[in-house]
Amino acid sequence: GAVVSQHPSRVICKSGTSVKIECRSLDFQATTMFWYRQFPKKSLMLMATSNEGSKATYEQGVEKDKFLINHASLTLSTLTVTSAHPEDSSFYICSAGGGVSYNEQFFGPGTRLTVL
Amino acid sequence: AQRVTQPEKLLSVFKGAPVELKCNYSYSGSPELFWYVQYSRQRLQLLLRHISRESIKGFTADLNKGETSFHLKKPFAQEEDSAMYYCALADNFNKFYFGSGTKLNVKP
Repeated sequence: GAVVSQHPSRVICKSGTSVKIECRSLDFQATTMFWYRQFPKKSLMLMATSNEGSKATYEQGVEKDKFLINHASLTLSTLTVTSAHPEDSSFYICSAGGGVSYNEQFFGPGTRLTVL
Repeated sequence: AQRVTQPEKLLSVFKGAPVELKCNYSYSGSPELFWYVQYSRQRLQLLLRHISRESIKGFTADLNKGETSFHLKKPFAQEEDSAMYYCALADNFNKFYFGSGTKLNVKP
């Protein structure tokens, strides 16, 4: 299957700072990337859908100004958590799809964000 | 509204026993259903999808539109099957909705 990477895998930051997480599709061009948030022992919650070259579509309840998403190329999408607070601490997972198999998503390994 | 329900948080079976992980969905359109698996310390990966109608690692799942279910089954569980299993639904806009997951524990 296609490979999706995320960087960093783990990040610890101070409250009030911004953190950028990268999601890359390594061997295919992803027209669409998705960002999820996973709480402990709970399911993945879709945060936003990112289409290359256009604005991201955010799910209800997700703050656009808080979670900035950029999908500048077919292989890279970034999620920036702005002015992070402890409640933003979570596991963030990206997935990519659209370029390999219709309606199939390939997941990154996730990024553990801890805000102190 | 789209919704995927996995009623069991944890399912423990002995090696060699049959296993069934339940998944029910609600969607007004024509969804596509998936099962994803996450082994310990690994990323989420696709196990199977209903349109493929295939068996992967001995697992099968049949879409029952009448009961709006997509239960995952395996006749003889193996220890290496121990993992988190997520049922997912893709709507007509390719947006995915995941169930809360079921942890399968296969005991020796």
